[in-house]
Amino acid sequence: GEDVEQSLFLSVREGDSSVINCTYTDSSSTYLYWYKQEPGAGLQLLTYIFSNMDMKQDQRLTVLLNKKDKHLSLRIADTQTGDSAIYFCAEANGFGNEKLTFGTGTRLTIIP
Amino acid sequence: DGGITQSPKYLFRKEGQNVTLSCEQNLNHDAMYWYRQDPGQGLRLIYYSQIVNDFQKGDIAEGYSVSREKKESFPLTVTSAQKNPTAFYLCASSNLKRELKDTQYFGPGTRLTVL
Repeated sequence: GEDVEQSLFLSVREGDSSVINCTYTDSSSTYLYWYKQEPGAGLQLLTYIFSNMDMKQDQRLTVLLNKKDKHLSLRIADTQTGDSAIYFCAEANGFGNEKLTFGTGTRLTIIP
Repeated sequence: DGGITQSPKYLFRKEGQNVTLSCEQNLNHDAMYWYRQDPGQGLRLIYYSQIVNDFQKGDIAEGYSVSREKKESFPLTVTSAQKNPTAFYLCASSNLKRELKDTQYFGPGTRLTVL
């Protein structure tokens, strides 16, 4: 079955770049997503990448996809205190059942 | 404003009681989902529904029940058979008619605590 893995914690100094990593096992993934969850709230869609792309940039966010290694990363440039949250990657397996498999989430802490 | 609402935000229940969590969306989305979130475990799918009057079990359906009588509403009942119901419950929906039909949009969540 599908499996998506992330590191549980990441600490970054304010102003530095944050890189959150994700590995997945399902080679038939069509879209991969990044969601952000602030404390006590639901998940907010940040960005997504189609599986035939290597990179996608959206303002401070850069998504890199290495399909051969099944590795996805989210880079946040100039990290701010408002970026403190849990970040989830998720994959859609493309079989049309409209289900997502989520990673465990990475808690990003910003050090002043 | 279009969106997904969940109520209540906090819910307390005594052991042995059933409780129903509400989820409503006015996005005209076809599919709706219920997830359970526990610390360090990510999101686990409980039930999902792609059309009115039809729903499928997710990975952890035991001890839960749902109904989908209206497109806008997908309530989740946590029954007394659920062994460890204390968790954060998230509802989501998606538009199956879009190219990005897997993209899910989430409500604010309900935190259930069993006393």
